[in-house]
Amino acid sequence: EAGVTQFPSHSVIEKGQTVTLRCDPISGHDNLYWYRRVMGKEIKFLLHFVKESKQDESGMPNNRFLAERTGGTYSTLKVQPAELEDSGVYFCASSQESVYEQYFGPGTRLTVT
Amino acid sequence: QKEVEQDPGPLSVPEGAIVSLNCTYSNSAFQYFMWYRQYSRKGPELLMYTYSSGNKEDGRFTAQVDKSSKYISLFIRDSQPSDSATYLCAMSRLGNQFYFGTGTSLTVIP
Repeated sequence: EAGVTQFPSHSVIEKGQTVTLRCDPISGHDNLYWYRRVMGKEIKFLLHFVKESKQDESGMPNNRFLAERTGGTYSTLKVQPAELEDSGVYFCASSQESVYEQYFGPGTRLTVT
Repeated sequence: QKEVEQDPGPLSVPEGAIVSLNCTYSNSAFQYFMWYRQYSRKGPELLMYTYSSGNKEDGRFTAQVDKSSKYISLFIRDSQPSDSATYLCAMSRLGNQFYFGTGTSLTVIP
C-alpha cells in the first residue's frame, strides 16, 4: 500500500511569489490534514478535511493560505503571496476512520527568500 | 505556555540500554496520546497511540499515560542503533487536531 505522498519535496521561492503544495493521501482515507513545522518549533496543525469538506481550519495562519481538496482525493495548499515567515516544512497526513492514526507524508520543505 | 512540553535532548545511550522519553502537557482535555518517530528528512512515523490513561506495550516499546500528572512516557527496551531518530509526542482532544511536542533527538551508540 502506498503511503502519503507530497510534491514537491523542496521549493525555494522569493517573497511575494505563489507556491502550491500537493498531497496525495493513502487511498481510501477520507481524513486529510495539513501541518507545518517552522524551524525550531513544534509541528502545528493547519487544517483538516473530511472528504472534500473543511472540518477544521482553525490553524490556518491567515488568508494568504488556501487549501482545497476537490473530489475528496488529493489536496493542494497554496500560499499567495509568500512571506519569509512561511518558510518551514509542510506535512500532510491522512487517516481512515480512526482519526488518531494519522499517517504522515515526507513533507515539503518551503524556503522563502 | 505551550500545550505540550518535551525535552529536546539530545539523548545519547549505549546499545541495549533502556530509553525513557517524556512529555508533559497542560490541557486536561487531551484524551488521545501518540508517539511518532522521525528519521532525518522523513515524515513522522506513527509508533503507538493510547486513549486516556494506562499502559500499552508493543514489542520493545511501552507507552504510559498518567493523566493525573499530565505526563506521558515512551520506554524503549534493548535499544538498537536503528532506533536513533527524533521522537515526537502528540496529543489530541477529539482525535483530529494534534498538538505536538518539539521532539527529542535520540542516538543509540553501537
